[in-house]
Amino acid sequence: ETGVTQTPRHLVMGMTNKKSLKCEQHLGHNAMYWYKQSAKKPLELMFVYSLEERVENNSVPSRFSPECPNSSHLFLHLHTLQPEDSALYLCASSQDLGNTIYFGEGSWLTVV
Amino acid sequence: AQSVTQLDSHVSVSEGTPVLLRCNYSSSYSPSLFWYVQHPNKGLQLLLKYTSAATLVKGINGFEAEFKKSETSFHLTKPSAHMSDAAEYFCVVSDRASGTYKYIFGTGTRLKVLA
Repeated sequence: ETGVTQTPRHLVMGMTNKKSLKCEQHLGHNAMYWYKQSAKKPLELMFVYSLEERVENNSVPSRFSPECPNSSHLFLHLHTLQPEDSALYLCASSQDLGNTIYFGEGSWLTVV
Repeated sequence: AQSVTQLDSHVSVSEGTPVLLRCNYSSSYSPSLFWYVQHPNKGLQLLLKYTSAATLVKGINGFEAEFKKSETSFHLTKPSAHMSDAAEYFCVVSDRASGTYKYIFGTGTRLKVLA
């Protein structure tokens, strides 16, 4: 069982829907990350939070909106997504930036 | 600039035979190197990491990797493959010394284990 829990594990949404992905880490870490994993592409870093402040936003479209209310929780709010946004979204955490990161099991997103 | 190259996108081995997954890296500083494994429909699990201590690193499930600075390599090995090792493996480089915290992921190697 992983120390990083993601919900939901699977999500199907229409292009006009609004939904959120949730991540909770039980490791006492102070940095959290969102990654996108698409078929045949390297993992893409989307957002990084350190001590609840965003420190990285890798040119991600505004239809993805992260939120980090505290050091244990991270959300990814989704609205008006496109079919090409269908992917596995992975949450991760680490103790301080640059230290070993630990991943959750991911949320499979399908946009129809 | 950092980069990582996994030389094989697919590797097939027979159960009980050795596994070799190759990784070469490029880094301006002393890198940290990692191997992660991803089983189908799962997240990434840390197998092992190198952070400038012993050059031969032992990980979980019988895997190990050797850091070779002269060859800029960090190949992953296991003496005897098991069916449960079938998964995708990612080599990762991180350059903390350069002041960046970013992880650079390889494109992955899919390991198939034949009965």
